[in-house]
Amino acid sequence: EVQLLESGGGLVQSGGSLRLSCAASGFSFSSYAMLWVRQAPGKGLEWVSVISGSGGSTYYADSVKGRFTISRDNSKSTLYLQMNSLRAEDTAIYFCAKDRVIIKVVGMGDYWGQGTQVTVSS
Amino acid sequence: QSVLTQPPSVSAAPGQKVTISCSGSSSNIGNNYVFWYQQLPGTAPKLLIYDNNKRPSGIPDRFSGSKSGTSATLGITGLQTGDEADYYCGTWDSSLSAGVFGGGTKLTVL
Repeated sequence: EVQLLESGGGLVQSGGSLRLSCAASGFSFSSYAMLWVRQAPGKGLEWVSVISGSGGSTYYADSVKGRFTISRDNSKSTLYLQMNSLRAEDTAIYFCAKDRVIIKVVGMGDYWGQGTQVTVSS
Repeated sequence: QSVLTQPPSVSAAPGQKVTISCSGSSSNIGNNYVFWYQQLPGTAPKLLIYDNNKRPSGIPDRFSGSKSGTSATLGITGLQTGDEADYYCGTWDSSLSAGVFGGGTKLTVL
């Protein structure tokens, strides 16, 4: 059974940093790209970033480019999102998801975690 | 403003059919697979449709997807009160080199 468990969320001041983690199990982690999607309070889904299975390719939404860094540790089956220079508009629930297709980067997830709340105070 | 355009809300009676549209462009829907997600209140999104029209195991055939040109449609037949949720379309955008979602559609089963 695929399981994704996010952690690392919390309250941080504007301009601060936070690192999110997503522990994965139940599938061959290194074979799949992984992504982050966020949802601001009362708003829709916003795609944030995706990383290939090897970690060699990464893609970002314009809204986070240059501030967020996605990475992974395949030996620990864990996905990360380093968030720097945080702004009030980054306040959201952050979901990690497993990419649907093996090997290839599709950028859309099939299995999702329950999310972790990030609140940026101004 | 979302890259993909969905109606904010749709409604229909129990047992009826509803469709939700998703409009994009040649850089996203026109040349990439479309995905549809269901999000019940307070829960994570759940994959309903992938690759335009395929259903993951466990998703009933009341849910269907189609794509034509730069638009896609989610269809739900035999509506149930449990189908009340937010529905999102998503795909890859080759020009942005990023994933994109529609703004979401709230389904009300009257």
